[in-house]
Amino acid sequence: QKEVEQNSGPLSVPEGAIASLNCTYSDRGSQSFFWYRQYSGKSPELIMFIYSNGDKEDGRFTAQLNKASQYVSLLIRDSQPSDSATYLCAVYGNQFYFGTGTSLTVIP
Amino acid sequence: DAGITQSPRHKVTETGTPVTLRCHQTENHRYMYWYRQDPGHGLRLIHYSYGVKDTDKGEVSDGYSVSRSKTEDFLLTLESATSSQTSVYFCAISWTGGYNEQFFGPGTRLTVL
Repeated sequence: QKEVEQNSGPLSVPEGAIASLNCTYSDRGSQSFFWYRQYSGKSPELIMFIYSNGDKEDGRFTAQLNKASQYVSLLIRDSQPSDSATYLCAVYGNQFYFGTGTSLTVIP
Repeated sequence: DAGITQSPRHKVTETGTPVTLRCHQTENHRYMYWYRQDPGHGLRLIHYSYGVKDTDKGEVSDGYSVSRSKTEDFLLTLESATSSQTSVYFCAISWTGGYNEQFFGPGTRLTVL
């Protein structure tokens, strides 16, 4: 079993819609959770991080964490074509583990 | 952009040859990391450093060694490159071990023939 699991997609949503990206992790002792965006051929860049159960909002992005279910998600509201990228979930327990990423395409 | 550079950016080498990749930062971050990224596997941690001369193994450390003699430089060495080490290698830095974001370098594409 992988430490961090993501649906690889591809996920396609129309422009203006909400994109929902999901991630599960296996280490119940994990402490911090990150979402990165990676454009093709580029390096990952941070979108959000979350430490506590519940929701954290930053502009069009909302991260949701449920430690009991070992589940973290990212919602992108009012999706734009520029949001088309691969989204990586990262989890820190005793070291960083990344999921394989979910490819998102926003259709104009 | 965080001040992280990687060199070389591209390298083609032959099986059995030694290879050293360099990561250089100008941000004075304590932690530095080496990852490899492969299709179907995502980013996997190879080694990391939490200070000068302080390093530890990550998820996929076999066949790799690292050194950090200065805060700003973190070297990754493949003692005898194999085709399975063909990958894109990313360096990352962070202030703390797991409670701050990591800033990633531009990556090095390594091909082992």
